[in-house]
Amino acid sequence: AQKITQTQPGMFVQEKEAVTLDCTYDTSDPSYGLFWYKQPSSGEMIFLIYQGSYDQQNATEGRYSLNFQKARKSANLVISASQLGDSAMYFCAIRRGGGNKLTFGTGTQLKVEL
Amino acid sequence: GAGVSQTPSNKVTEKGKYVELRCDPISGHTALYWYRQSLGQGPEFLIYFQGTGAADDSGLPNDRFFAVRPEGSVSTLKIQRTERGDSAVYLCASGRTSTGEQYFGPGTRLTVT
Repeated sequence: AQKITQTQPGMFVQEKEAVTLDCTYDTSDPSYGLFWYKQPSSGEMIFLIYQGSYDQQNATEGRYSLNFQKARKSANLVISASQLGDSAMYFCAIRRGGGNKLTFGTGTQLKVEL
Repeated sequence: GAGVSQTPSNKVTEKGKYVELRCDPISGHTALYWYRQSLGQGPEFLIYFQGTGAADDSGLPNDRFFAVRPEGSVSTLKIQRTERGDSAVYLCASGRTSTGEQYFGPGTRLTVT
């Protein structure tokens, strides 16, 4: 079984600052993928970034980067230069290698302030 | 192009009634997933289709829940004898392959009174 833990129910950040959203995971599979999704108040889940367990480098997508520390089983999301539109719920998820279903954490509510 | 669409966006039904929730995946996507999201929680997996067949239905909570995808495109999630505990947002996602990225629809908010 796989598990995702997101210990920050809510986070605040000032506009233009960077913020780190924590995610730790538990899996016995040697191959797996880690995902971050954004869920605005409209409800749609928006894919942000992916990290494979065998990837040597941390994934980056524009202002999003994933701080992957395999030994610590953590996959924190870093958002640089926060914008008001970044205010949303953020979910970390895991999928075993070759698998299909995503297992999600409970999410972190991010609020960007002026 | 068009994303994943789900209808209805909201559904209110009485306890004990039957409901159908529809998902239109992105054209050409062979993988289709249903998830359920309760208030304050992350989505929970229900069922996965590869083409027309249900390749993994391990997340369906009980036999009141059933899903079909008869032509490998549109999928319908069916819930019989609804209970108040079924109230949640039902999310559909599709992908080109089972191991690729999943694109989510806006969800159907089901309320059982």
